[in-house]
Amino acid sequence: KAGVTQTPRYLIKTRGQQVTLSCSPISGHRSVSWYQQTPGQGLQFLFEYFSETQRNKGNFPGRFSGRQFSNSRSEMNVSTLELGDSALYLCASSRENGQPQHFGDGTRLSIL
Amino acid sequence: EDQVTQSPEALRLQEGESSSLNCSYTVSGLRGLFWYRQDPGKGPEFLFTLYSAGEEKEKERLKATLTKKESFLHITAPKPEDSATYLCAVQVPRGTALIFGKGTTLSVSS
Repeated sequence: KAGVTQTPRYLIKTRGQQVTLSCSPISGHRSVSWYQQTPGQGLQFLFEYFSETQRNKGNFPGRFSGRQFSNSRSEMNVSTLELGDSALYLCASSRENGQPQHFGDGTRLSIL
Repeated sequence: EDQVTQSPEALRLQEGESSSLNCSYTVSGLRGLFWYRQDPGKGPEFLFTLYSAGEEKEKERLKATLTKKESFLHITAPKPEDSATYLCAVQVPRGTALIFGKGTTLSVSS
């Protein structure tokens, strides 16, 4: 059974640019969540989508946005990149409430 | 505010030396407490879900327990391949999103 797939694995951008990251969930999973992981702050929740609707949102600025498509695939976008946005961005999918989330291996974003 | 705190931040063990990792939490209505293992360069790998105080789950050398305020991950006779960062998380009141602790990095030497 295929796991959560994130593309690209690595990305290098410069300040002020924007970036789009992609996530394909496990087949049959309708909930997709995004997290930012940094050495100082650990794993922090960005947002969650279920059936193409944003269901939860973490405490991040409006530069961070996302969407989910009808096939449950999801994208997140970060505009006007800042140095502090350098992080590992993780996507996770789950079947429904109360069920564990399963993670992809992330996209490593570096801002120069 | 929902919060998860893990201790210690780092733990070094000799192969075969058993120990426990702690996860304390404050949450308005626990819907699930989750343990994950994360290896360098990889995403977190799901280990256990605990839903109510008194519940226990086991997998190989790992055993997770839950009380009303904390959870423990007991590691019995660890091996070097158990070296990883162990993450604890609680589920938010609505939806499936998780609030994570900062993790315990375990190093097991032979």
